Formats: sequence, C-alpha cells, structure tokens
Amino acid sequence: TQLLEQSPQFLSIQEGENLTVYCNSSSVFSSLQWYRQEPGEGPVLLVTVVTGGEVKKLKRLTFQFGDARKDSSLHITAAQPGDTGLYLCAGDYSGGGADGLTFGKGTHLIIQP
Amino acid sequence: EPEVTQTPSHQVTQMGQEVILRCVPISNHLYFYWYRQILGQKVEFLVSFYNNEISEKSEIFDDQFSVERPDGSNFTLKIRSTKLEDSAMYFCASSVSQPGNSPLHFGNGTRLTVT
Repeated sequence: TQLLEQSPQFLSIQEGENLTVYCNSSSVFSSLQWYRQEPGEGPVLLVTVVTGGEVKKLKRLTFQFGDARKDSSLHITAAQPGDTGLYLCAGDYSGGGADGLTFGKGTHLIIQP
Repeated sequence: EPEVTQTPSHQVTQMGQEVILRCVPISNHLYFYWYRQILGQKVEFLVSFYNNEISEKSEIFDDQFSVERPDGSNFTLKIRSTKLEDSAMYFCASSVSQPGNSPLHFGNGTRLTVT
C-alpha cells in the first residue's frame, strides 16, 4: 500500500505571510497532483507535476516536484484569507494506468485576516 | 464549464438497506471513478471504470459494492447492504484519459449516513 504523508496537518497563519506545505512518499510517483477542497465540495485540481525537479507557478502558488519524484511542496506567497482550505496531494504510481490516485490526508490551512 | 454532477447530495439510510448513488460525468470523458472520504479522513480510491468495465478496484470495494453505466450519461455506485462504517462522502470523478495524464474532475459528493 502506497502512503503519502502531508505536513503540517494544520496550519494557521496571518494574512500576508508565506508558507510551505509538503507531500512525501517512500515510493516514486509517475505524476503528482495538488488539489484544494472546500467544505462540502469535491477536490478541485490545482496542478499536475510530472518531471523530477519541475516547478510550476499558479499566481501566488509555487509547486515543486522533487528530483527523485518522491516528494513535492506547495509554497504560497503573501497568503490571503481566500487561500483558506484543505490542500491535498495525490500521487499516481501506476505509470499512466487506470488505477486510482492515492491521496494524502491533506493540510488544513487557515489564513487569518 | 462542464462539471460532474452527483445526486442526491445527502442520503440517509438504515443499516442493511441498499443505496444507489448517481453521477453524471463530463460528457467527453472516458474514465470514471468513485472515491470516498470518511469524516476527518483522507480521500480513498474505490474503483475506476473504463470501456464499460471495471479497470481497477481497491480493497474497500468488496462484493457489497457494484458500479454500472446504465446509459450513455449516468454512472452509478450501488451498495447492496449498507453498514454503519459505509457512512462517508462519496465522490464521483471523471477524466478525459488516464489519471496520471489528465486531471480528475470531481463532483460535489453524496453524503451517505447509515443509521
């Protein structure tokens, strides 16, 4: 069974601060996706990373895929209250097969105004 | 923008009863999935479906579970005899191609409560 560990589990910071959350696995991902989930809704895809060392930016969010494709990070610059939510990473270990994604437990992020 | 729709949004049932959760995936998507999320826990894969058959299923997806695509638009999850531990949010998702190659689009889920 593949496991994804996300840290921290909970994070509460002030508006304007920077933060980084992490996603780690002992196994190599074929690809990794980051989702954001609001209460009462399904996860919404933020980004997919595929290549080791890849960096993708989405406005104030920067996603990095580790060189060995076993870990990833999400960095938010100048966090805003609208960034509050549950951030999930999900890994594909199947090399493009139809297997489901393996999700981490997520990081609950609260940005206080 | 096209979206995955799920009905009902909430379902309360008694232990031992059968439930059917319904999903309408995005129309041009070819891969369909069911995931569940027990309150406070992580999103867990149940089953994937492609070309009118199950592609992969997890250990959770035992003989009490079944999926069906009865027509060109609906994708259903049936639980034959519900147990208390089946209480969870059930999410349907779809993708254009395989999950590592294309994003999964999730519905807003059905909250199933088994009493």
